[in-house]
Amino acid sequence: ETGVTQTPRHLVMGMTNKKSLKCEQHLGHNAMYWYKQSAKKPLELMFVYNFKEQTENNSVPSRFSPECPNSSHLFLHLHTLQPEDSALYLCASSPLGRSYEQYFGPGTRLTVT
Amino acid sequence: GEDVEQSLFLSVREGDSSVINCTYTDSSSTYLYWYKQEPGAGLQLLTYIFSNMDMKQDQRLTVLLNKKDKHLSLRIADTQTGDSAIYFCAEAPLTYNQGGKLIFGQGTELSVKP
Repeated sequence: ETGVTQTPRHLVMGMTNKKSLKCEQHLGHNAMYWYKQSAKKPLELMFVYNFKEQTENNSVPSRFSPECPNSSHLFLHLHTLQPEDSALYLCASSPLGRSYEQYFGPGTRLTVT
Repeated sequence: GEDVEQSLFLSVREGDSSVINCTYTDSSSTYLYWYKQEPGAGLQLLTYIFSNMDMKQDQRLTVLLNKKDKHLSLRIADTQTGDSAIYFCAEAPLTYNQGGKLIFGQGTELSVKP
């Protein structure tokens, strides 16, 4: 596979569930990002990882927990979410120092019931 | 503060030109971008412009930057039905450039009618 892949593409979870979103990039990039896209709102940057180190946490609630085990993989662990967390979660990657070249995955459509 | 504003909708006829406008607030932004999002897909980087440029042309796409007014536009010539998508404007404030933070607008939904 090439580019940025995300799994699952769709996820429905209850407020008491624990689930994880996975992102994988095959571009040799060193920076990875999580974004939240809600309807009719600007994309919200959640987390940035450079060389597996978290460099940005944009005041995200602790019920979202990122993990970056290596430069190719990024996870978003979810627990005790709220209905307002329902959104499209997008992963992106870029060469280090070139954030203007962000390549996005197709996203995971999350619904919290 | 950081804010990027776009109109939410634009409708054009096939073959016409489309112009999508954007205003931003952070004059330190060194790069400004246009992304395209097709239904069910992630964002695709269409083009970007350095802040020291006024114009950039790439095939059917023309980007115009008015740095004084902090206004960015994307013109699509000979618009096709395949151009129907949501277009996002984004800026990269210098403060955050090392961290890779992009500030996105709400997106403009372009509808192309045959």
